[in-house]
Amino acid sequence: GAVVSQHPSWVICKSGTSVKIECRSLDFQATTMFWYRQFPKQSLMLMATSNEGSKATYEQGVEKDKFLINHASLTLSTLTVTSAHPEDSSFYICSALTDRDLETQYFGPGTRLLVL
Amino acid sequence: DAKTTQPPSMDCAEGRAANLPCNHSTISGNEYVYWYRQIHSQGPQYIIHGLKNNETNEMASLIITEDRKSSTLILPHATLRDTAVYYCIVIIYNFNKFYFGSGTKLNVKP
Repeated sequence: GAVVSQHPSWVICKSGTSVKIECRSLDFQATTMFWYRQFPKQSLMLMATSNEGSKATYEQGVEKDKFLINHASLTLSTLTVTSAHPEDSSFYICSALTDRDLETQYFGPGTRLLVL
Repeated sequence: DAKTTQPPSMDCAEGRAANLPCNHSTISGNEYVYWYRQIHSQGPQYIIHGLKNNETNEMASLIITEDRKSSTLILPHATLRDTAVYYCIVIIYNFNKFYFGSGTKLNVKP
């Protein structure tokens, strides 16, 4: 149980285009999901908290107009990187809190984004 | 959230116990200790968590000192597949947000 998937697993795009990454909870409902970014050889950095049916809350320094988050259902949150640039190239990881355990986060496999 | 301190890397022989320390000297009474690991290019995997009592599950044991200022994650019989970065995270109950430190890179060697 508590499986989280992400799609796509990797994506290459041209500079200036927008990229959407999906995060799904497969066997549970997730009222809260989180989005992280990880640069090579660095730790995970929390970007935002996504709550179903309400606006996401962003960590300090994360541009909300650059990283659009939508949590339209209890099993799906999406992160859209708008007008992507090479410096947005990173490993994006989502996590979710289950309705059975409100403290433990379960992580997706990550999405590797390369912006050319 | 309490800051955690972990050694940057550790080596362990395959089949032996791996003991990974974590210092969280500023932990407060309502903060839990969580352990996750991240195998290269994958999302973090939950291992175990605890408040003040020692905990054990099918993956590992968590030993928390009586003053709760430090803890140790024990992998009883390390295998090559346990090679990963191990993160110790301290969070306030019901706060939910995880702020990852730099973790410990565990190298399990044959």
